[in-house]
Amino acid sequence: DAGVIQSPRHEVTEMGQEVTLRCKPISGHNSLFWYRQTMMRGLELLIYFNNNVPIDDSGMPEDRFSAKMPNASFSTLKIQPSEPRDSAVYFCASSIRTGNNSPLHFGNGTRLTVT
Amino acid sequence: GNSVTQMEGPVTLSEEAFLTINCTYTATGYPSLFWYVQYPGEGLQLLLKATKADDKGSNKGFEATYRKETTSFHLEKGSVQVSDSAVYFCALSGSGQAGTALIFGKGTTLSVSS
Repeated sequence: DAGVIQSPRHEVTEMGQEVTLRCKPISGHNSLFWYRQTMMRGLELLIYFNNNVPIDDSGMPEDRFSAKMPNASFSTLKIQPSEPRDSAVYFCASSIRTGNNSPLHFGNGTRLTVT
Repeated sequence: GNSVTQMEGPVTLSEEAFLTINCTYTATGYPSLFWYVQYPGEGLQLLLKATKADDKGSNKGFEATYRKETTSFHLEKGSVQVSDSAVYFCALSGSGQAGTALIFGKGTTLSVSS
């Protein structure tokens, strides 16, 4: 299995620009998670989906952030407009189901730099 | 709400030294507990897990025991190697309700020198 695939690996953009991060979960997994990692705050859960439906988006920092999952094999995280404080590594993860025992499988992340 | 607290890093050890990384948690109900490891430039990988009190998770020489009485899940390894250098995250999940994501500690950086 190819694992969770994220693109791009690196993104450098200017403040005010729109940024779209992409994720392909592992085939057969029905839960998908977006996390953000920074030195100051560690790993923060932004949003997660179960069977393509957003379950909890309380971690999305502002209305500038939005996430979609149009089908079981694709999700996007969009920031519009981007700001320097959005600079972080964004991870997508998937699991076969949410609940007590299901481990998460992480992609290699997208390192976002907003100048 | 649920939370995880890990010891601050970095932890610096010589090869073959004993490792302990402390983790304590606050949770309602009966969460499952996990340790994940992150190597440079990569995503997190599951290292081990325990799903109920007194369970011991183990993998690659690492161990952690789910201690409900002390709400702890400390990670240990008897003899570390240079290749163990990475960031280690303790995490917990909810108590069986559908739709509960993992909550992670801030991570502890381990550096092992030869």
